[in-house]
Amino acid sequence: KQEVTQIPAALSVPEGENLVLNCSFTDSAIYNLQWFRQDPGKGLTSLLLIQSSQREQTSGRLNASLDKSSGRSTLYIAASQPGDSATYLCAVRPRDSSYKLIFGSGTRLLVRP
Amino acid sequence: NAGVTQTPKFRVLKTGQSMTLLCAQDMNHEYMYWYRQDPGMGLRLIHYSVGEGTTAKGEVPDGYNVSRLKKQNFLLGLESAAPSQTSVYFCASSPGTSGLDTQYFGPGTRLTVL
Repeated sequence: KQEVTQIPAALSVPEGENLVLNCSFTDSAIYNLQWFRQDPGKGLTSLLLIQSSQREQTSGRLNASLDKSSGRSTLYIAASQPGDSATYLCAVRPRDSSYKLIFGSGTRLLVRP
Repeated sequence: NAGVTQTPKFRVLKTGQSMTLLCAQDMNHEYMYWYRQDPGMGLRLIHYSVGEGTTAKGEVPDGYNVSRLKKQNFLLGLESAAPSQTSVYFCASSPGTSGLDTQYFGPGTRLTVL
């Protein structure tokens, strides 16, 4: 059974710092892995989607990597800003049930001014 | 485009009461989903639909029913609410299930069952 784990559960950093969020999954048979952002009281917004054949994706100050063989993904945020404060969730789409997303429990990020 | 909208935003129920949550999308997506999110846990799939008139069970379907009479709407029903159903409910939609398709989420409904 696919399980997704995110460490740490919470992170507090000063503004301007570069940071890395971690996601691990137990089964490498996936279609893709996605990183979402969730703001308090709001829905999820997709940040980056990495297909199983890809190693990384970049959008602005965000870079996500995927290592299927080790079951790991990282989300790198460069030059963090207070506006980056949110919960970040990773999710995998398993190959054996393509409609489903399996989510981690998220990392709650606070960027202090 | 409004994207994915959910009604209501908040609701308080007593044990045993029933209610229906409405999800609407204006992106002409085939697939729609209902998730629940509990503290310290990721989102878990309750039910999903692969097109108008179809529904299927997800990971945690017990105590819930769904209907998709129109392509743009997906309803989630609780027939007899229980305190264990206190949660935040998210609806999502996607155009398909290819490796490039992402899901678009609504803002959520916070439900408390007393």
